[in-house]
Amino acid sequence: DTEVTQTPKHLVMGMTNKKSLKCEQHMGHRAMYWYKQKAKKPPELMFVYSYEKLSINESVPSRFSPECPNSSLLNLHLHALQPEDSALYLCASSRNSLGGKEKLFFGSGTQLSVL
Amino acid sequence: GENVEQHPSTLSVQEGDSAVIKCTYSDSASNYFPWYKQELGKRPQLIIDIRSNVGEKKDQRIAVTLNKTAKHFSLHITETQPEDSAVYFCAASGYSGGGADGLTFGKGTHLIIQP
Repeated sequence: DTEVTQTPKHLVMGMTNKKSLKCEQHMGHRAMYWYKQKAKKPPELMFVYSYEKLSINESVPSRFSPECPNSSLLNLHLHALQPEDSALYLCASSRNSLGGKEKLFFGSGTQLSVL
Repeated sequence: GENVEQHPSTLSVQEGDSAVIKCTYSDSASNYFPWYKQELGKRPQLIIDIRSNVGEKKDQRIAVTLNKTAKHFSLHITETQPEDSAVYFCAASGYSGGGADGLTFGKGTHLIIQP
């Protein structure tokens, strides 16, 4: 299995809702990432998990809450989002080798619309 | 942190001609430089990457060159085909040290192949 799987593919939520995005990989990768991508813009790094521990948080607002239950799963919990948070949310994984940088494999993303 | 500049933002070439996209980076500690292709509505897909101990890498019609001294790297696509039309992102590792550091992306180049 060489895929990073994200669910749901599309999500529409109100500003008072609570929802979660899910990401799964079975490649044995020990680093997992959340990126946010607005239309016609590059992906922007949000969070990095390394060996199930949060290693990087790029000053993301607390209405986004990541969780890594195990080495194969990564969640992003959403609460009280704003319309400007509407974007494509991409999950990615890599082997996490201390010997050098490793290739990132991206999931298909969740297209989020906040009303 | 790392800053990646990418040019041009849009590139239109005739089918069969070559296309060149250029990027510069700011952090001399960066040592991994991948290129991603993203078609409309799809995930970014890695097409080629290069590490700082290599000056050039080629894979069929695609090649990447790296000049560490000048801190710039370029993507070369030869014999362009209609299916090469997409947005291309360059990226650089944003931090020194271990593998799970995430990537900083350039703003992207919309490559249009004219029939």
